[in-house]
Amino acid sequence: AQSVTQPDIHITVSEGASLELRCNYSYGATPYLFWYVQSPGQGLQLLLKYFSGDTLVQGIKGFEAEFKRSQSSFNLRKPSVHWSDAAEYFCAVGPNTNAGKSTFGDGTTLTVKP
Amino acid sequence: DVKVTQSSRYLVKRTGEKVFLECVQDMDHENMFWYRQDPGLGLRLIYFSYDVKMKEKGDIPEGYSVSREKKERFSLILESASTNQTSMYLCASSLTDYGYTFGSGTRLTVV
Repeated sequence: AQSVTQPDIHITVSEGASLELRCNYSYGATPYLFWYVQSPGQGLQLLLKYFSGDTLVQGIKGFEAEFKRSQSSFNLRKPSVHWSDAAEYFCAVGPNTNAGKSTFGDGTTLTVKP
Repeated sequence: DVKVTQSSRYLVKRTGEKVFLECVQDMDHENMFWYRQDPGLGLRLIYFSYDVKMKEKGDIPEGYSVSREKKERFSLILESASTNQTSMYLCASSLTDYGYTFGSGTRLTVV
């Protein structure tokens, strides 16, 4: 069965500092991996996805993520955080079959200090 | 811009009522999903559909049913609403090889 672990429930960073959100997955084959962001009271928005190929993927809003098969990880990074990045972030893993049904991590809440 | 539209942002219903949550997508996506989101429990899959009139149970289908009569519309039905179904409900759609597009959510309160 596929699963996703986001070890950090809550992270606080200062505006302008770098950010890394951790994600570890369990999946039997090469997974499809996703990061989503959710602003308060809103639905989730896709930031980026990895299917195959280059293990460093670029997304929207200046985010990137790196797939490391040996560590079963797909960590999200941003070099300089803006106050508007404060939100909840979800990592997800999905197969390319069964309607592409994804399993989500429990989320990491990001607080940005001025 | 592609869209998933959920009919209500906020809904208050009484215990025992039959509740319909509607979701419409305009992207011709084959797959549609219903999740509920609760603090500390993350996103839990209720039902999903990979084609018109096709549906599969997710992780927590008890107390819910779904309907997909047209490709663009996926309805979640609470047959007899209970207070433990108070939650944020999120609809999403996708093509199988791509990520999800989510609606803005419906916050349902059952009193």
